[in-house]
Amino acid sequence: NAGVTQTPKFQVLKTGQSMTLQCAQDMNHEYMSWYRQDPGMGLRLIHYSVGAGITDQGEVPNGYNVSRSTTEDFPLRLLSAAPSQTSVYFCASSYEASRTGELFFGEGSRLTVL
Amino acid sequence: GEDVEQSLFLSVREGDSSVINCTYTDSSSTYLYWYKQEPGAGLQLLTYIFSNMDMKQDQRLTVLLNKKDKHLSLRIADTQTGDSAIYFCAESAVSYNTDKLIFGTGTRLQVFP
Repeated sequence: NAGVTQTPKFQVLKTGQSMTLQCAQDMNHEYMSWYRQDPGMGLRLIHYSVGAGITDQGEVPNGYNVSRSTTEDFPLRLLSAAPSQTSVYFCASSYEASRTGELFFGEGSRLTVL
Repeated sequence: GEDVEQSLFLSVREGDSSVINCTYTDSSSTYLYWYKQEPGAGLQLLTYIFSNMDMKQDQRLTVLLNKKDKHLSLRIADTQTGDSAIYFCAESAVSYNTDKLIFGTGTRLQVFP
């Protein structure tokens, strides 16, 4: 099993550009989520999904969109990138919504917005 | 709101024990977790403890929970250079029937020979 796969690993954007961070898991996990990691701030939840067709906002959702059309995929879209979105982004999944603490993480996507 | 706090750095000699501390605020948390992040990698779940437990041991890892003081600690016995990483504690916060994890800022453990 590949686990949780994120692409791209690195990306540089100019302010105002849009892009999509891809996340796929092959473990048939019900729950998927996106976090951003910033120095001195730990990980903050952006959006999450408890199943296909269901998404909800986390702690810092502004500037990001998500969709969950299949169980496997959970892309994160930046509509108009801003320098404040420079961060490392992690996708994580777990078996079910009631066990979201047992997360499996991808390797991260490092985004720089100039 | 929920908040999880950790010290930023810890430096220990190889072979010694490491103790990483964490305080949290949400007294309704059901589980508390420890994650490890090695350089350039995602987080990996190390262990977790249910809120009605005081202690959990798993090989070199010992987790202690003081619910009264809302204090969680992770002890690593016989610390090795491979234990050098960032360690995150996290608490679960139930919201709309879904647990959300609240992470601390992480403690960077450096092990020197």
